Amino acid sequence: DGGITQSPKYLFRKEGQNVTLSCEQNLNHDAMYWYRQDPGQGLRLIYYSQIVNDFQKGDIAEGYSVSREKKESFPLTVTSAQKNPTAFYLCASSTSLNTEAFFGQGTRLTVV
Amino acid sequence: AQKITQTQPGMFVQEKEAVTLDCTYDTSDQSYGLFWYKQPSSGEMIFLIYQGSYDEQNATEGRYSLNFQKARKSANLVISASQLGDSAMYFCAMVDMDTGRRALTFGSGTRLQVQP
Repeated sequence: DGGITQSPKYLFRKEGQNVTLSCEQNLNHDAMYWYRQDPGQGLRLIYYSQIVNDFQKGDIAEGYSVSREKKESFPLTVTSAQKNPTAFYLCASSTSLNTEAFFGQGTRLTVV
Repeated sequence: AQKITQTQPGMFVQEKEAVTLDCTYDTSDQSYGLFWYKQPSSGEMIFLIYQGSYDEQNATEGRYSLNFQKARKSANLVISASQLGDSAMYFCAMVDMDTGRRALTFGSGTRLQVQP
């Protein structure tokens, strides 16, 4: 079945550590996105990529980094520079026409 | 810059009745897309419906329909015959097609509770 897979579902990080969240899709979508959701809030855009080897900063990119070496994969690294990383992270992908956009199950990151 | 406004933080509806969730948007682009998503307590984002700015007919998907009023810049979601399983957060989102940034922008959401 086609879809988007995020892993892990839950992630705990010690302060000062970098962690990488995985996002893989087999929908053959060109565009991929990372969003952050805080409790009771909407989704805020961290980074997005329209094609392989290219990505753009979103509204809250500070403290995060991404790569897009393959069409299927768009990993997000939460660096130690991110001051308040505890949140729910959602990955999405869409066609180049942006007429449909699907999300993964999300990763809940907690700093301990 | 694009902006989505959802003015209803919470809504209640009786089972089997219809409910309308409001969404207004702001954009300077002529070509754009509008989306609605459902987010149950599990956290996943479920795609419900899409409307393109040049689509003349309102989009429909089963019990979901999008009341698109372009002049008013509104894209309200109508859920007919509400079910208990419809209780969730609902997000309106849009993407501009003309500008360089082609990523979804979301509203703050509406929490819908369906009562038996």
